[in-house]
Amino acid sequence: GNSVTQMEGPVTLSEEAFLTINCTYTATGYPSLFWYVQYPGEGLQLLLKATKADDKGSNKGFEATYRKETTSFHLEKGSVQVSDSAVYFCALSATNYGGSQGNLIFGKGTKLSVKP
Amino acid sequence: KAGVTQTPRYLIKTRGQQVTLSCSPISGHRSVSWYQQTPGQGLQFLFEYFSETQRNKGNFPGRFSGRQFSNSRSEMNVSTLELGDSALYLCASSMIIAGSYEQYFGPGTRLTVT
Repeated sequence: GNSVTQMEGPVTLSEEAFLTINCTYTATGYPSLFWYVQYPGEGLQLLLKATKADDKGSNKGFEATYRKETTSFHLEKGSVQVSDSAVYFCALSATNYGGSQGNLIFGKGTKLSVKP
Repeated sequence: KAGVTQTPRYLIKTRGQQVTLSCSPISGHRSVSWYQQTPGQGLQFLFEYFSETQRNKGNFPGRFSGRQFSNSRSEMNVSTLELGDSALYLCASSMIIAGSYEQYFGPGTRLTVT
């Protein structure tokens, strides 16, 4: 079956440090891949996505590249800020037999804390 | 555009009771998905509705049910509540962008079962 494995935190970094959160997946076919972010007390916000191999998703300084050969979608940011402190979720959606992509499969989440 | 809204935001129920949660999707979105978030199991898919029909279902017992109305608003119901049903229930509405679904989440309903 489809699954997502991401590095578990918590991850603590100093402001302006480089961030990498690893994410690998198992899926049949060609899933779409996503990173979501959840701030305390809030729902999930879509951070970025990639829909096919070698696509790079990017937003707010975050990037992730869809690597089919290594089944990975690692999240990176060159210089983190205190405001980036949140929980980050890697997710995939695969088209089911009904043609729907409406069920996301999530990793366990990685809590990031950035210290000033 | 207004985002996804969920009501109520917080709920406390007793074991054995039932509960109904409501979700209003972003205007124009016809697909609504529900997820359960717990510290132990993480985020798990419950079901998806599209045009008033359940299109996909996760691995949850029959005590969990849902429906969607003609205006795309959705409700989920949990009957005979158990302590383990305590969780954050998230609703997401979807639209297709560049060939793939993008799901937009509401703030969630925090359910506590005592």
